[in-house]
Amino acid sequence: DSGVTQTPKHLITATGQRVTLRCSPRSGDLSVYWYQQSLDQGLQFLIQYYNGEERAKGNILERFSAQQFPDLHSELNLSSLELGDSALYFCASSPREAGELFFGEGSRLTVL
Amino acid sequence: GENVEQHPSTLSVQEGDSAVIKCTYSDSASNYFPWYKQELGKRPQLIIDIRSNVGEKKDQRIAVTLNKTAKHFSLHITETQPEDSAVYFCAVRGTSYGKLTFGQGTILTVHP
Repeated sequence: DSGVTQTPKHLITATGQRVTLRCSPRSGDLSVYWYQQSLDQGLQFLIQYYNGEERAKGNILERFSAQQFPDLHSELNLSSLELGDSALYFCASSPREAGELFFGEGSRLTVL
Repeated sequence: GENVEQHPSTLSVQEGDSAVIKCTYSDSASNYFPWYKQELGKRPQLIIDIRSNVGEKKDQRIAVTLNKTAKHFSLHITETQPEDSAVYFCAVRGTSYGKLTFGQGTILTVHP
């Protein structure tokens, strides 16, 4: 157990819908990262937050948004869902910006 | 941005053989090079990492070597066992805060 908690573990929804994925980092970790892993794909970086502030952005679609709250948990919002958004979404946390990344178990999103 | 190339994409070995996976990166300012192991349907887990001021690091059957001049680093697994079968990802941290850029992964299969 990495100490990073992601909910929900599985989510099935329809095209055009909106979903919210939640991540609770390890206790004391200030940095949260979101990664997308599609079938046969590597880990694509989406976005990073540090202590509530956005620090780095990857190739995150405009239909996706994220935030980190004062209690340090983070949410990834995916809207106007398309079939191609089906993927495993991982959250990771680290105690500081240069530390080891600890991954959660992921949220598997299926868009039908 | 950082570009990370990982080879081979698949690797099949007999139990007891050695396995070597290589990654090259583009940003010469990169300073942290971890390797993650991901079993099917599970989260990526750190197995070994190396920083830019070190050329080699070993942990039991696993070792990582870094050549900063050539901008490549390699994972070496000796005396492979069936439980080593998984997808292995290299990653690089460059100058953009804490985010890691991952390679495309290597599917390692160890045959008994």
